[in-house]
Amino acid sequence: DTGVSQDPRHKITKRGQNVTFRCDPISEHNRLYWYRQTLGQGPEFLTYFQNEAQLEKSRLLSDRFSAERPKGSFSTLEIQRTEQGDSAMYLCASSQGPYNSPLHFGNGTRLTVT
Amino acid sequence: GIQVEQSPPDLILQEGANSTLRCNFSDSVNNLQWFHQNPWGQLINLFYIPSGTKQNGRLSATTVATERYSLLYISSSQTTDSGVYFCAGDNYGQNFVFGPGTRLSVLP
Repeated sequence: DTGVSQDPRHKITKRGQNVTFRCDPISEHNRLYWYRQTLGQGPEFLTYFQNEAQLEKSRLLSDRFSAERPKGSFSTLEIQRTEQGDSAMYLCASSQGPYNSPLHFGNGTRLTVT
Repeated sequence: GIQVEQSPPDLILQEGANSTLRCNFSDSVNNLQWFHQNPWGQLINLFYIPSGTKQNGRLSATTVATERYSLLYISSSQTTDSGVYFCAGDNYGQNFVFGPGTRLSVLP
């Protein structure tokens, strides 16, 4: 068990640019979650996958956001035309889920949009 | 979806003191976890506790599922316990919802 891995750890980008983050879950976990956390707040749910199927998307996930999980393994989260309000920590978690299964989080990707 | 409340929002302790953090849910949950977020932002699993009581060193947790709340006990607090404590739960296969957190500062 190597844990949940996220890449990059930090990303600084200019407003209007596109960014992509990657998450590698724990290998036997079939559920993968994306959360966003801004300063002083708890993590907010964005979306989750059961294997390769995207089962739920939050209203926070505007049209500029897209997530994929091809082949049910790693996942990518892309933000197009970034805005300053997108600056946050993006957290990925996985679980063996859906029932009686704890979440395991990666270390997150901190995005700063200038 | 479910709503999660945590209390107190902020807590300042002298090293060696004990504390109790509370988490209330608006609906029943079948998965419930407590996390500690360290100053680097890493979310560390403390307990997976949908019901019952668990202990791990100076920390213990109790969940009363029928009354939709959970408690986290920290005994003999240390400065390294400082950070934000979150509880989170889901309702039978939906996404995990986090509370707003309790910010703990342990002073030497």
